[in-house]
Amino acid sequence: AQKITQTQPGMFVQEKEAVTLDCTYDTSDPSYGLFWYKQPSSGEMIFLIYQGSYDQQNATEGRYSLNFQKARKSANLVISASQLGDSAMYFCAMREGGVLMEYGNKLVFGAGTILRVKS
Amino acid sequence: ETGVTQTPRHLVMGMTNKKSLKCEQHLGHNAMYWYKQSAKKPLELMFVYSLEERVENNSVPSRFSPECPNSSHLFLHLHTLQPEDSALYLCASSQALFGLAGGTGKWARLQQFFGPGTRLTVL
Repeated sequence: AQKITQTQPGMFVQEKEAVTLDCTYDTSDPSYGLFWYKQPSSGEMIFLIYQGSYDQQNATEGRYSLNFQKARKSANLVISASQLGDSAMYFCAMREGGVLMEYGNKLVFGAGTILRVKS
Repeated sequence: ETGVTQTPRHLVMGMTNKKSLKCEQHLGHNAMYWYKQSAKKPLELMFVYSLEERVENNSVPSRFSPECPNSSHLFLHLHTLQPEDSALYLCASSQALFGLAGGTGKWARLQQFFGPGTRLTVL
């Protein structure tokens, strides 16, 4: 079964509008972390935002916020006031369990959503 | 140099060649990772090194051979590759902790920092 599901292969948004990128996850572990990364055409993966499973509040980082609905196992990324530079591939990822030295910090990634911002 | 660097950025090789990909991190991290990103597939974790020990080998064929001589450097040695091995190879680094950090607090975040990748084409 897919651990991370991103159902939107591609999205368009008008510049200055908000957009929501969907992510659902599957885990039976009570301790986990959810990450969103941005990958521009240059290839580098850029960390955007993190949500821990025990965090009481939704994470926010500047124009990025995470709509965390634990019971539904969803962690949607909201980008407010879209800019042309936001055009990229966006990946949702999950780390199950705590962080153990013995196992590093393993992430499982979704298939990604391509976002195109129109002027 | 800052962050995570990878060389070369582009590599074209024949199936009989031997080449190596290099990754270097300047962030003081103690865990490093190799990922493979193929077209139309999610990122696939290949190898994890924590404190220079390989802690994960995700069913990767033996034609890929990783090496981590110290906590700042990671190599991926390639030999007798197949055309289906053509992909973007991404290196990442992060902190790893002693003991269980759980899902709370600043230590739980520990995001991975990625390099720009090596675009590999196998002819």
